[in-house]
Amino acid sequence: SQKIEQNSEALNIQEGKTATLTCNYTNYSPAYLQWYRQDPGRGPVFLLLIRENEKEKRKERLKVTFDTTLKQSLFHITASQPADSATYLCALGETGTASKLTFGTGTRLQVTL
Amino acid sequence: SQTIHQWPATLVQPVGSPLSLECTVEGTSNPNLYWYRQAAGRGLQLLFYSVGIGQISSEVPQNLSASRPQDRQFILSSKKLLLSDSGFYLCAWSVRGVNTEAFFGQGTRLTVV
Repeated sequence: SQKIEQNSEALNIQEGKTATLTCNYTNYSPAYLQWYRQDPGRGPVFLLLIRENEKEKRKERLKVTFDTTLKQSLFHITASQPADSATYLCALGETGTASKLTFGTGTRLQVTL
Repeated sequence: SQTIHQWPATLVQPVGSPLSLECTVEGTSNPNLYWYRQAAGRGLQLLFYSVGIGQISSEVPQNLSASRPQDRQFILSSKKLLLSDSGFYLCAWSVRGVNTEAFFGQGTRLTVV
């Protein structure tokens, strides 16, 4: 069966360091992969999308890599700030009119001073 | 600009009572619409999606149903709630035919007692 794995343990990072979150998947051939941020009690907010033919995407302090051979995506936040503390979800998308997404369970990031 | 409205924010319902959650989207036409559920400590599970008025696809068998009476209105319903229906329900939309991001509402926290 399809499976998306994100580190269920919280990631604790000191302010100013780079946070790296991992998303691994099996039995899946996604056309694209997305990363979302979710704050407690709120809906997820889109951050970045990377397609299967792309290796890397950047947006300000964020960087995403996508390795379809390893079936893995890495999500980096450079110069992390306490405001970056949240749960980060990866989602795999398939081609088609419906653009359905399958989400991982998310990794909670805690950035401390 | 596009906005998505979802209500109510919180709901406490007794077992066996009916449910109706409503979601509306503004500022766009012909969107894909989705209902997700997020159980505590778990990822988002896609319940239903719709690519057009009256077109509903169910992802998992359950005690819930969905309807799309208008282009930008999506309703999640149940005739008789179960304890296992408790969770955080999220409505989302995306642009039809283009594999891009999903935009989420603020969610409804449903507690069945």
